[in-house]
Amino acid sequence: AQSVAQPEDQVNVAEGNPLTVKCTYSVSGNPYLFWYVQYPNRGLQFLLKYITGDNLVKGSYGFEAEFNKSQTSFHLKKPSALVSDSALYFCAVRDSGGSYIPTFGRGTSLIVHP
Amino acid sequence: SQTIHQWPATLVQPVGSPLSLECTVEGTSNPNLYWYRQAAGRGLQLLFYSVGIGQISSEVPQNLSASRPQDRQFILSSKKLLLSDSGFYLCARGRGGVYEQYFGPGTRLTVT
Repeated sequence: AQSVAQPEDQVNVAEGNPLTVKCTYSVSGNPYLFWYVQYPNRGLQFLLKYITGDNLVKGSYGFEAEFNKSQTSFHLKKPSALVSDSALYFCAVRDSGGSYIPTFGRGTSLIVHP
Repeated sequence: SQTIHQWPATLVQPVGSPLSLECTVEGTSNPNLYWYRQAAGRGLQLLFYSVGIGQISSEVPQNLSASRPQDRQFILSSKKLLLSDSGFYLCARGRGGVYEQYFGPGTRLTVT
């Protein structure tokens, strides 16, 4: 079985400050981990993924995420937040030995204040 | 480009009316296709997925159905809509394994 948790419904950060959106996961095998972003009334957009290799993954729009196997976490980060980063962020996991179906978290609303 | 089209973009339907939402994919062959519903701008609920023409798997028992008449066409249907069917419907394509999913622009359905 696979599961993913996003413990924060909302994250507030001031523009220019670093941001972190948290994600923890549970899988039987090795995890494939993904982050997506959704702007209002739009579909989800892929940001980045971890499959194997370097624990620090860089993605679109200056975002990065750090895979931590011991803590089963895959937190999304950005060194300097922009107001335009305000959106809904989803973490997803797929078990490497599993099916075609990823499991998505409930989403975290990121609000960046000017 | 690998584009996903969904139509209509918005739809308002009365309770008990039928539904047909269409999703078409460009630029790729034999994709895995998915229908999700998102309620209240939050979590995604997987409704159906398909790994090929005529192959549909349902994740949740409900009054919705899906069909895949062509390789790059995925249709979501209902014979009689319920109020609880309101939501934002997203079509996605993927290839399983290490591959990410790509989502269409969505259809906003309001059942009145």
